[in-house]
Amino acid sequence: DAGVIQSPRHEVTEMGQEVTLRCKPISGHNSLFWYRQTMMRGLELLIYFNNNVPIDDSGMPEDRFSAKMPNASFSTLKIQPSEPRDSAVYFCASSLKENYGYTFGSGTRLTVV
Amino acid sequence: DQQVKQNSPSLSVQEGRISILNCDYTNSMFDYFLWYKKYPAEGPTFLISISSIKDKNEDGRFTVFLNKSAKHLSLHIVPSQPGDSAVYFCAASARSGGSNYKLTFGKGTLLTVNP
Repeated sequence: DAGVIQSPRHEVTEMGQEVTLRCKPISGHNSLFWYRQTMMRGLELLIYFNNNVPIDDSGMPEDRFSAKMPNASFSTLKIQPSEPRDSAVYFCASSLKENYGYTFGSGTRLTVV
Repeated sequence: DQQVKQNSPSLSVQEGRISILNCDYTNSMFDYFLWYKKYPAEGPTFLISISSIKDKNEDGRFTVFLNKSAKHLSLHIVPSQPGDSAVYFCAASARSGGSNYKLTFGKGTLLTVNP
C-alpha cells in the first residue's frame, strides 16, 4: 500500500498565480480530508469529502479556495489567485468509515512570493 | 476559537524519563480522542486513541489518560527515547453527533528527548 500520495511536495509560486494541489487517497478509503498547517493556527480542516461528495467546507478560507473529488481515487485543492498568506503546508488525509484514524500524506509545502 | 488546546508548545525530557503531554478540550460533544505524531517533512501518523467510555488506554510505552469531568487528556511516554522526538498533536471528534469523520486538532507540542 503506497499510502496517501500528494503532489507536488513543494510549490513556489508568485502572488496572483493559480495553484493546484493533488491527492490520491488510499484505495478503499471513502473519506478524504484537506488540512492546512501553519504556525499560528496549527492543523486546520479545510474541507472533507465522503464518497466523493463534499460534506463540510466551512473551513475553506474564502472563495479563492476550491476543492474537487471527481472520483474515489483523486482530489484537487485549487487556490486562485494565490496570496502570500496562503503559504503553509497542505495535507491530504483519508480514512475508512469504520476506522477513525486518518492516514495523512506527506504534505505539500506551498510558498507564495 | 480553539476547541482543542495544547498549551505547551514544547517539552524537553531526558532519555529514559517519562514524557507527559497535555491536551484540553472545550466541546462536551467530543467523545473520541487521538494522538498523532509528526516528524519533519512527513505527515502526522496515528499513535493511540481513546473513547470517552474509557479513562485509560495503553499501547506499549504509550498511555493515554482521559479525565472527562476536567475535559483533559494526557499522553504518557515511558521510557522516553530520542526517536520519540517529534511534534505531537492531540485530536478529538464527536462520533455520536453525526460528524464522526471530522477531527479537530490542537496546535501541537514539540517533544525533544535528549540522550
